[in-house]
This record gives sequence, structure tokens and C-alpha cells, in this order.
Amino acid sequence: QITLKESGPTLVKPTQTLTLTCTFSGFSLSTSGVGVGWIRQPPGKALEWLALIYWDDDKRYSPSLKSRLTITKDTSKNQVVLTMTNMDPVDTATYYCAHILPKLGTVDYWGQGTLVTVSS
Amino acid sequence: QSVLTQPPSVSAAPGQKVTISCSGSSSNIGNNYVSWYQQLPGTAPKLLIYENNKRPSGIPDRFSGSKSGTSATLGITGLQTGDEADYYCGTWDSSLSAGGVFGGGTKLTVL
Repeated sequence: QITLKESGPTLVKPTQTLTLTCTFSGFSLSTSGVGVGWIRQPPGKALEWLALIYWDDDKRYSPSLKSRLTITKDTSKNQVVLTMTNMDPVDTATYYCAHILPKLGTVDYWGQGTLVTVSS
Repeated sequence: QSVLTQPPSVSAAPGQKVTISCSGSSSNIGNNYVSWYQQLPGTAPKLLIYENNKRPSGIPDRFSGSKSGTSATLGITGLQTGDEADYYCGTWDSSLSAGGVFGGGTKLTVL
């Protein structure tokens, strides 16, 4: 059974750096064909891809946010970490981590999400 | 503005059928599989359809998907009040370094 859970601060100040950790179970990120991604959803708005990392450490980033994002993995800990610099109130959103099947282009398992508010 | 275009809302009566469209381009829907996700109020999205028309285990056959060219459609028959949710289409986009793209979401109201 695949599960993912996001953890990190619920409140950050403008200009600060956000660090979110996704801890997962039920799969290994060293298995060929697997990826873990981050997706966010501002309140009342649509889903937005942020970043993803593949089993072979290939990384992809949203073009509009690429300069602010870094995604890394720790296979031994079953964790993926996303950092986003220079946070702004418009970055207030629920952040989801997800298990991805790249060949099918699908997100088959989602974490419960964590709401991050950016405010001074 | 989302890369994939969905109608903001659709509605139908219980027991009826509804379809939700998702329009894209050759760089995304035209050359990749489409997935559909259901997001009930206050919860994380859930995979409904993958590989254009396949249902994960546990998803009833009232839900169906299809794709033609650069558009895809989600169909829901025998509507139930519990189907009230936001529905998103998603796929890969070969022109974007991030890989994935979503539609803007469609709010389904079961009258």
C-alpha cells in the first residue's frame, strides 16, 4: 500500500525559504519507472505542477518557478524534499506530494496535502 | 491560466449523465496519455482515469474516459449526489520542462 505524507511549516514569512518533506512508504524511489512530484493548489484555485524527481535522479521544474525550486531525494529515508525560496503571499497554497508513473503521465497516489500560509 | 482548458462548471440531475471536456494541444494531450482526477471538498485529488480510458481498481464503471486528437472527455453516468466535486484533467507536456500539466478544473453540481 502506497502512502505519502507532507510535513513542514504551516506559516512562513515573505522572503523566507520554504522546506517541505515528503515521507513515503510502499515503494522505493530507486525502482525504475517511478517518480515523486510536488503539486500545489492555492485556496479555491486549480492544481499546479511544481517539480518532480525520477528514480534516476532526473529532475523537472515548473518553468515559471524553476529559479526558486530545488527537489532532492533521500532513497535510504524514503523522503523527497522540496525547497522554495523567496516566498510571497501568492504562494499560499496546499502543497501535495505524489507518486508518479512517468510512462503513463499519471499521478496515482496523493498525499493528504499541507496548507502553507505566507504572511508577515 | 491553465495549459489545458476545461469548462468551469457543469450540472445535471441525479441519475443523469454528464460529460466534461479537456482541450489541449499536440505537445500535451495530442501525444500523451490523459488522466482524470476527482477532488471532493476538503480532500486531496484522487485518480479516476488513467491512460485515457482505464479505471484504477475500485473506481466504478459509471466513470469513463476518452481521447480524440488534442481533446479528452470524462463521462459520468448515473449521477449521484456524492459525485459533486471538482474534476481535473492532467497529462504530460513535452514543451515544458516540468513535465506535467493540469486543466483549470470543472465543478460538478448534482442538482
